[in-house]
This record gives sequence, structure tokens and C-alpha cells, in this order.
Amino acid sequence: EAGVAQSPRYKIIEKRQSVAFWCNPISGHATLYWYQQILGQGPKLLIQFQNNGVVDDSQLPKDRFSAERLKGVDSTLKIQPAKLEDSAVYLCASSSAGTTNTGELFFGEGSRLTVL
Amino acid sequence: GQSLEQPSEVTAVEGAIVQINCTYQTSGFYGLSWYQQHDGGAPTFLSYNALDGLEETGRFSSFLSRSDSYGYLLLQELQMKDSASYFCARTNGGKLIFGQGTELSVKP
Repeated sequence: EAGVAQSPRYKIIEKRQSVAFWCNPISGHATLYWYQQILGQGPKLLIQFQNNGVVDDSQLPKDRFSAERLKGVDSTLKIQPAKLEDSAVYLCASSSAGTTNTGELFFGEGSRLTVL
Repeated sequence: GQSLEQPSEVTAVEGAIVQINCTYQTSGFYGLSWYQQHDGGAPTFLSYNALDGLEETGRFSSFLSRSDSYGYLLLQELQMKDSASYFCARTNGGKLIFGQGTELSVKP
């Protein structure tokens, strides 16, 4: 079974530029999450989708971050314009109904963003 | 609140036993998960406790006391490859909230 796929793995941009990250979850997983992990900290939930609907986006800085999951499968996270403090690893995770209830998420390798 | 507290770092020697504690705030609490993350890698699921007691999976065990809002991860027969960050995470209505992580260093 293929895992969660993310791209790009690394991205370097200058502040005020834009960037987009892509995630393809494990086949059949209805729930998709985007987390931000700043160096030395735990992952922070940005947005959670159930199929193509948003379950929670309370921690998403909506003035600059946006995310979509139009067909309920893959998802894109965009940052526009980027700030220095957005430098982090952006982790995508997915879960099925069974694993969500047992706290088991499957994470991708992440996209490491550096903002200069 | 939804915060979790865990030590920032722990050091132990190969072959030893180490316990990583986690306390959490109870609002909306469903269960406690533990994840391992090696440098540059993805967090990987280790265990989940919804009820009080000990869950054992090989060398790793996890414990939960709901009355004390407390849990721990116990790692036995430590190996060098166990050097990693360990995160407790609370399940809150289908949402997973992570602690800040404990960096475990295993020395020879």
C-alpha cells in the first residue's frame, strides 16, 4: 500500500513570494490533515478535511494560507505572500474512519519550506 | 485548553529503560497517542490509549490515567535507533493535537 505522497520535498523562496504544496493521501482515506512543524516543536494542525469538506481550519492564518481538496482526494496548501516565520516543514497526514478513532494518522515525509 | 506537557529532552544508555511522561488538559479529551519522529522523517504512530491502563507493543508500552490527566511512554531495552523525538498527542473529536515533543538521546 502506497503511503502519503507530498511534493515538493524542499522549497526555498523569498519573503512575499508564493508557494504551493501538494499531498496525495493513502487511497480510501477520507480524512486529510495539514500540519505545520517548526523546528524543535510539535506539529500544529492547520486544517482538517473530511472528504472535500473542511472540518477544522481554526488555526489556519487565512489572510495568507489557503487549502483545498476539491475532489476529496488530493489536496493543495498555498501560502501567499510568505513571511519569514512560515519557514517550517508542512506535513500532510491522512486517516480512515477506523484509524481516526484510535489516534492513528499516517504522515507523509513533509515539505520543508525556507523563507529568506 | 488543549495543551500537553512533556519533558523537552531525555538521555539514557543502550539497554536501559526510559519513561517519557505527558500531562494534558482534559477539555474534550478522548484518548492519548504516541508518535516517534526521527530527524528529517515523518511522525510514525506508536500507540493509543483511550482507557486507563497499560498497552504493550513489543519493547514499547504506553500508560494512561484519566483521573490524573497523565500518561507515559515506556521504552525498554533501548537501542541506538530509538534516538528520536517522541510526541504525545491528544485526540479531541477526531482532531489530533500534539505536544512539543521529547528528544531522546540513547548513548552507548
